[in-house]
Amino acid sequence: NAGVTQTPKFQVLKTGQSMTLQCAQDMNHEYMSWYRQDPGMGLRLIHYSVGAGITDQGEVPNGYNVSRSTTEDFPLRLLSAAPSQTSVYFCASSYAISGVLMNTEAFFGQGTRLTVV
Amino acid sequence: SQELEQSPQSLIVQEGKNLTINCTSSKTLYGLYWYKQKYGEGLIFLMMLQKGGEEKSHEKITAKLDEKKQQSSLHITASQPSHAGIYLCGAGLNEKLTFGTGTRLTIIP
Repeated sequence: NAGVTQTPKFQVLKTGQSMTLQCAQDMNHEYMSWYRQDPGMGLRLIHYSVGAGITDQGEVPNGYNVSRSTTEDFPLRLLSAAPSQTSVYFCASSYAISGVLMNTEAFFGQGTRLTVV
Repeated sequence: SQELEQSPQSLIVQEGKNLTINCTSSKTLYGLYWYKQKYGEGLIFLMMLQKGGEEKSHEKITAKLDEKKQQSSLHITASQPSHAGIYLCGAGLNEKLTFGTGTRLTIIP
C-alpha cells in the first residue's frame, strides 16, 4: 500500500523558474488537496479537488496552478517561482462521495521542502 | 482569519506534567482530526472525533469534541520527550479539509 506519494522530497529553484510537484494516491480517494507549511505555522490550503476534472482555490492560491485529469494524480505547478514560495508542501487525500468530503482519516504525503533563491 | 484556531501557539512543559491544547472552529464541526508532526517530518494521524461529546484516547493522549462550543481539546497526561512536536487539528469545513494554526510543544527535562 503506497498511500500518498509525493515527489520530489527536496527542490531548490531559482527565482522565475517553473516546476511541478507531483502527488499520487492509490486509495481511489475523490478528495485531494495541497498545503504549504511555513515555519511556526499550521497548514494553509492552496488548492483542492473533489474529483477528476474539478478543482478549486483554497486560502493561498496565488502563484500556483493545479489540474486533476485522473482520480489518482493531483500535480501542483509553480509557474514562476518566487522566494515567498519557499516552504514545505504537503499533499493530502481523503474519502469523498459525489463531491462531499466524508469524516474519515486524511492521508498525507511525506512533504516537499522547496527553497527558492 | 483562520477557520480553525489553536491555543496556545506554543507550549513548554516540564517532563511528567499534564497539558491541554485547544482547537476552536468558526463553523459547525461535524468531525475533527488531530495530527502530530515531528520537527521537519511528515504528519502522523492521532485520532478522529466524529460526534459531539465523543472522547478518544491513544496511549497518554486524550481528545474530546464539544460540538456546541465548536471546540476540541487534546490532553496529554504525564508528558514525555516523545510527545514533543507540532500538534494540528483539522476538519472538513465547507467541503475543504482545513487545518488549524498549530501548537508547538516542547518538553523539558
